[in-house]
Amino acid sequence: DQQVKQNSPSLSVQEGRISILNCDYTNSMFDYFLWYKKYPAEGPTFLISISSIKDKNEDGRFTVFLNKSAKHLSLHIVPSQPGDSAVYFCAANTQNRDDKIIFGKGTRLHILP
Amino acid sequence: ETGVTQSPTHLIKTRGQQVTLRCSSQSGHNTVSWYQQALGQGPQFIFQYYREEENGRGNFPPRFSGLQFPNYSSELNVNALELDDSALYLCASSLGGMHRTNTEAFFGQGTRLTVV
Repeated sequence: DQQVKQNSPSLSVQEGRISILNCDYTNSMFDYFLWYKKYPAEGPTFLISISSIKDKNEDGRFTVFLNKSAKHLSLHIVPSQPGDSAVYFCAANTQNRDDKIIFGKGTRLHILP
Repeated sequence: ETGVTQSPTHLIKTRGQQVTLRCSSQSGHNTVSWYQQALGQGPQFIFQYYREEENGRGNFPPRFSGLQFPNYSSELNVNALELDDSALYLCASSLGGMHRTNTEAFFGQGTRLTVV
């Protein structure tokens, strides 16, 4: 039972263009959503998060959008840079219970020159 | 640099053996969570320790056990290793309990365990 789903295993985007990574979730109890970036041989690195009381959070080139009614969130990276090539994990948790984070399977982003 | 360190970085064990993985949490963090990441999958929650007590467990058998020490560092122990236990084991530290806010967990670089 996959509570956090990333249906695109990989995505290729031209450098300078916008990268959009999508994520769906099934558990309506989730109240906090996170995106992590992972390079090979490293642990996941926190990128950006959003609380369920918001629908948008922006941090530099990264913006996360949350559509609670659709149980969908997306990460926008603009402009995309070569260093953005990595695996991106969408994750969620219920902060009023514990810090257990449920991860999706990840999307591998390739930024093309 | 997150300040979360894990040891060892790589390990090869034989089926049936026991293994202990270690994690030093980030300064100021009182909560440690352990995750298993199999190839091609996202990290899966094993369990969490808050102030030396287990505070939540995922769908893993009892042969996966852990400890948290007074300095909030932690160990993950796996008994009777199976081939399917081969994975990247990740430790994450965070600030939990009454001080919990909407803050992220910081991950270590992981321990790559291979069971042969």
